[in-house]
Amino acid sequence: ETGVTQTPRHLVMGMTNKKSLKCEQHLGHNAMYWYKQSAKKPLELMFVYSLEERVENNSVPSRFSPECPNSSHLFLHLHTLQPEDSALYLCASSQEWGGGRSAKNIQYFGAGTRLSVL
Amino acid sequence: KQEVTQIPAALSVPEGENLVLNCSFTDSAIYNLQWFRQDPGKGLTSLLLIQSSQREQTSGRLNASLDKSSGRSTLYIAASQPGDSATYLCAATTSGTYKYIFGTGTRLKVLA
Repeated sequence: ETGVTQTPRHLVMGMTNKKSLKCEQHLGHNAMYWYKQSAKKPLELMFVYSLEERVENNSVPSRFSPECPNSSHLFLHLHTLQPEDSALYLCASSQEWGGGRSAKNIQYFGAGTRLSVL
Repeated sequence: KQEVTQIPAALSVPEGENLVLNCSFTDSAIYNLQWFRQDPGKGLTSLLLIQSSQREQTSGRLNASLDKSSGRSTLYIAASQPGDSATYLCAATTSGTYKYIFGTGTRLKVLA
């Protein structure tokens, strides 16, 4: 176990549904991340939160809406998704954001949520 | 813009063989480079982190090296075992951005 828990592990939704992905970290970290992993493509960073403030938004469509109510929890709210949004969504956390060369920048990943959009 | 490439995309070796996985990056101004392992349907597990001032890191049967001047990192796995079968990803953190840029991974299969 990495200390980062994601739920649900699998999710199937229609294009008109609204659902949420949840991530919880038990490591006392201050930074949390959402990544998208599509088949045969590199992991894509979507959002970064540091001390509950969003510090990075990598041109992600507005149908993906992140929420970080506290430093231990991160959500990704989904609505009116497209079939091409089907992917593995990974959450990660690190001790700090912008730790540069230090080990505080090491990211710990959850097991992911496998999302299928029909 | 940093780009990370991993070749080959897939590799099959017999058990016991020593092997090398390759990772190339285009921007040598990196803070660190990290190797991860991903099992099917699972998240990423960190294997080794090499900071920009280091040349290599070792953990058990794994050894990762970093050559910034040539834009390359290698992950050496000694005496491979079937349990080493997984996808191996490298990620570079570029100076000034703190973001991880990932390669597409090498899918390794170690045959018993």
